[in-house]
Amino acid sequence: GENVEQHPSTLSVQEGDSAVIKCTYSDSASNYFPWYKQELGKRPQLIIDIRSNVGEKKDQRIAVTLNKTAKHFSLHITETQPEDSAVYFCAASRSGGSNYKLTFGKGTLLTVNP
Amino acid sequence: NAGVTQTPKFQVLKTGQSMTLQCAQDMNHEYMSWYRQDPGMGLRLIHYSVGAGITDQGEVPNGYNVSRSTTEDFPLRLLSAAPSQTSVYFCASSYSRPLLTGGSEQYFGPGTRLTVT
Repeated sequence: GENVEQHPSTLSVQEGDSAVIKCTYSDSASNYFPWYKQELGKRPQLIIDIRSNVGEKKDQRIAVTLNKTAKHFSLHITETQPEDSAVYFCAASRSGGSNYKLTFGKGTLLTVNP
Repeated sequence: NAGVTQTPKFQVLKTGQSMTLQCAQDMNHEYMSWYRQDPGMGLRLIHYSVGAGITDQGEVPNGYNVSRSTTEDFPLRLLSAAPSQTSVYFCASSYSRPLLTGGSEQYFGPGTRLTVT
């Protein structure tokens, strides 16, 4: 089955700096890569996703890049703010057969220091 | 819309007891799933369903049963609780997608914090 590795497990940045979280996946047939943000005590919520026919996607301060050849994708947060502090999870899934089975990385705890 | 709802929010069980975690969604989503979240382990898929009457196992199915008799409801049953099942449980739902377009956003419920003593 799919295996998703996520790094780093913890990341501390100063407010205004950029943060980058990286994930690798094992199944070359995976074609959907979402990122979820989970604040303390809350449910995970989708912040951005990318499909395999796209190399990069941006939404204001957040961007995701995908390298299918290397089987890795990354989350980029620019101009970080204290409210960006949370756990971020990457995930991967594929179409067909066991469709919709999302495999998650183990998460990155991002702390933005004022 | 209430979205995805879960009950109870908190539960304490003794080893060997059984219980059902409830999950419901009002968005007419075909796909529903159950995850458990443990510190440092991310979200691990227990069981999922792609529609009423269809269920399948995820990554960590042992000790759990599910059924899907309606589109709206997807209960998770613990048959004989064990301390290893102490965790936070999340239910999620999403629209299904045709082949070739991959998955879609999963909407999570608020979670159930379960402690087994």
